[in-house]
Amino acid sequence: GAVVSQHPSRVICKSGTSVKIECRSLDFQATTMFWYRQFPKKSLMLMATSNEGSKATYEQGVEKDKFLINHASLTLSTLTVTSAHPEDSSFYICSASPLAPSGTSTYNEQFFGPGTRLTVL
Amino acid sequence: GENVEQHPSTLSVQEGDSAVIKCTYSDSASNYFPWYKQELGKRPQLIIDIRSNVGEKKDQRIAVTLNKTAKHFSLHITETQPEDSAVYFCAASIDRGSTLTFGKGTMLLVSP
Repeated sequence: GAVVSQHPSRVICKSGTSVKIECRSLDFQATTMFWYRQFPKKSLMLMATSNEGSKATYEQGVEKDKFLINHASLTLSTLTVTSAHPEDSSFYICSASPLAPSGTSTYNEQFFGPGTRLTVL
Repeated sequence: GENVEQHPSTLSVQEGDSAVIKCTYSDSASNYFPWYKQELGKRPQLIIDIRSNVGEKKDQRIAVTLNKTAKHFSLHITETQPEDSAVYFCAASIDRGSTLTFGKGTMLLVSP
């Protein structure tokens, strides 16, 4: 259980194009999903917290108009990198926390997707 | 906000030796401390976690200890094996929210 998928796993695009990355919780519902960025040999940097049915909460320094997040359902969140540039090349990973039976998320455990390697030429 | 420091950044051991990775945190309200293992190009995998009402937790060759007074927690791996080689991240969070603050990671290399 607690499987999170991401699509695509790898994408190469030209500078100026937009790229959409999907994050799905396959066997559980998640009110909250998280988007991270990871540079080579570096830690996970939280970009934003995605809340189903409401606007995402962005971390300081992350441009919300650059990284559009949509959380349309309890099992799907998308990250769109708009007008991508070479400096946006990175490993993007999402995670999700299972929704507790009571209807509120009381778990801290986060289950990670396999990541998306974005290369902008 | 929370700040998590992790040491060492790299750790090389011989197969069979023990490995210890240490983390400190700044927010005394944090009460959940997971450890993740990430192999190259793959997703982080939760290997063990501990909550603030427990001082130590063990799962086979892996153990985690927590000292709330000193605000530090450690990962202990005994009888290391080459397949333990990976990057290990500690993290901390406050129970009410799920946001995790990660340490910078420790690259563990276990030599046969």
